[in-house]
Amino acid sequence: ETGVTQSPTHLIKTRGQQVTLRCSSQSGHNTVSWYQQALGQGPQFIFQYYREEENGRGNFPPRFSGLQFPNYSSELNVNALELDDSALYLCASSLTSASGTGSRETQYFGPGTRLLVL
Amino acid sequence: GNSVTQMEGPVTLSEEAFLTINCTYTATGYPSLFWYVQYPGEGLQLLLKATKADDKGSNKGFEATYRKETTSFHLEKGSVQVSDSAVYFCALRRGTDKLIFGTGTRLQVFP
Repeated sequence: ETGVTQSPTHLIKTRGQQVTLRCSSQSGHNTVSWYQQALGQGPQFIFQYYREEENGRGNFPPRFSGLQFPNYSSELNVNALELDDSALYLCASSLTSASGTGSRETQYFGPGTRLLVL
Repeated sequence: GNSVTQMEGPVTLSEEAFLTINCTYTATGYPSLFWYVQYPGEGLQLLLKATKADDKGSNKGFEATYRKETTSFHLEKGSVQVSDSAVYFCALRRGTDKLIFGTGTRLQVFP
């Protein structure tokens, strides 16, 4: 069974640039959630994707956007980067039942992408 | 709103000491409760979980009991090892909603 993978592992960008982070979900999982973890803090929920659509969003501005692909992998895009966007970005996958009422299953996390904005 | 409060760290222990990391929560209804562990430079790993009151989650010698009357989910281990040094996060989830994390507690175990 393949776990959750993320790429790249590290990234350095400058203010105003755009970045794309990638996540491959665990085998058998169809739902992907993204979290931002600032240094010394707990992860904060950004959004979740299921059936290639956004399925819940946290308190993040629209310049944070995402995609989910038919193979359940996902991308997180951040436009107009700000210094405060420097953080570890975590992807978590889980299984949502066919009824589509949401995932009650455990979320499994990838190793994260560490983004530094200068 | 829903929230999780953890004891501040770092918690510093000698090997084989007893560990308790306190976690309390505020939530409506009956959330599921989780402990995740983050080793240096890595992502989060699920350590244990409990989905209803009085459930006890356990894994790798760690235990936590879902106490609804005290809204707590304290993490315990009888004898810690140097390899347990990490940051521990308590989290809750209501139904199918997002995970809500505490700020984390750093554990340092010395030989």
